[in-house]
Amino acid sequence: EPEVTQTPSHQVTQMGQEVILRCVPISNHLYFYWYRQILGQKVEFLVSFYNNEISEKSEIFDDQFSVERPDGSNFTLKIRSTKLEDSAMYFCASSTPGYGANVLTFGAGSRLTVL
Amino acid sequence: DQQVKQNSPSLSVQEGRISILNCDYTNSMFDYFLWYKKYPAEGPTFLISISSIKDKNEDGRFTVFLNKSAKHLSLHIVPSQPGDSAVYFCAAAMNRDDKIIFGKGTRLHILP
Repeated sequence: EPEVTQTPSHQVTQMGQEVILRCVPISNHLYFYWYRQILGQKVEFLVSFYNNEISEKSEIFDDQFSVERPDGSNFTLKIRSTKLEDSAMYFCASSTPGYGANVLTFGAGSRLTVL
Repeated sequence: DQQVKQNSPSLSVQEGRISILNCDYTNSMFDYFLWYKKYPAEGPTFLISISSIKDKNEDGRFTVFLNKSAKHLSLHIVPSQPGDSAVYFCAAAMNRDDKIIFGKGTRLHILP
């Protein structure tokens, strides 16, 4: 069964450092998303990406965050200068409009720990 | 600003009995509702959905009920099985193509 893969599974970084989280969405999907879940809290929407541009972003997704689809397969989330409060599990997801774009397939997540 | 609320952080149910997970929402513009299930160390997986034109959708052991006037939906699992132990997230969207907003989740424990 097709799946969304995310790397790394866990990253520990120092505050102020740049972090790139990588995702390989399902190959025929057209919508891509990043969500995050701070420990014990809800899964929060960060950004959606369609047709090579951001289609929507939340207030969490400030200038420190960026997304990119550098080639036909990868979808990355960059945090330029990490803060302690960026520590969370980051989930990548993808979907296809033929099935309802919000029936998302999620990856297993990348846990980011900022020290 | 919690647009999707799951007020029970956890629920324990005996194996074989019915599990009922509840969800309330505040945004009357939501038109499409979903339930996701999450095991530890995995991402959420889609379980079942319902659009606002329906009040019930059933898929095997899982049934979702929607009460638009009360802005309430529920997920029924019957009979409950040990593999159902997971965190269940209620989610909502303006339409089938919009981003989804998640609730905080309810951890379901199925007791032997």
